[in-house]
Amino acid sequence: DAGVIQSPRHEVTEMGQEVTLRCKPISGHNSLFWYRQTMMRGLELLIYFNNNVPIDDSGMPEDRFSAKMPNASFSTLKIQPSEPRDSAVYFCASSLERDSYNEQFFGPGTRLTVL
Amino acid sequence: SQKIEQNSEALNIQEGKTATLTCNYTNYSPAYLQWYRQDPGRGPVFLLLIRENEKEKRKERLKVTFDTTLKQSLFHITASQPADSATYLCARGNSGYSTLTFGKGTMLLVSP
Repeated sequence: DAGVIQSPRHEVTEMGQEVTLRCKPISGHNSLFWYRQTMMRGLELLIYFNNNVPIDDSGMPEDRFSAKMPNASFSTLKIQPSEPRDSAVYFCASSLERDSYNEQFFGPGTRLTVL
Repeated sequence: SQKIEQNSEALNIQEGKTATLTCNYTNYSPAYLQWYRQDPGRGPVFLLLIRENEKEKRKERLKVTFDTTLKQSLFHITASQPADSATYLCARGNSGYSTLTFGKGTMLLVSP
């Protein structure tokens, strides 16, 4: 398996623009997580999907952020409008949820820079 | 809130020594702790999981302990090698929930 795939790997945009990050989870996994990582705040959970349904979006910063999972093999995280403080590395992770103890498999991340 | 605290200062050790990283948690004991390794420019990679009722877990040169009295987990790498240099993240999870709360990680530098 190719692992979790994220695109783009790097994104540079200007403040106010719309940004869309994409994720393809590992085939057969039923849970998907979006995280944001910064030096100041570390790795923060933004949203968690199970069987394509959003279960916990309490980490989504504000209405400018939205995430979708239209099917088991694709998810997007959208920021509109983007702001400089959104600059971070965004990770997607997936897991096969059988019980509470499941390990998560992370993608390579998307480094977002908002100018 | 449920927090995970890891030493923000990098740990520098010499090759062959045992590296010990600390993870402290607040409030009630998590059902389990997970440890991940993260290399620069890459996503975290799962290493070990230890449950609340387990005192110790081993995997090759890695050992993790879980002390509910001290609210602490220790992560040991024996016979450390330069290739072990990375940032190590501790994460807590609760029974019935699939989400994790991560610490900020501790950077380990193993010099030859």
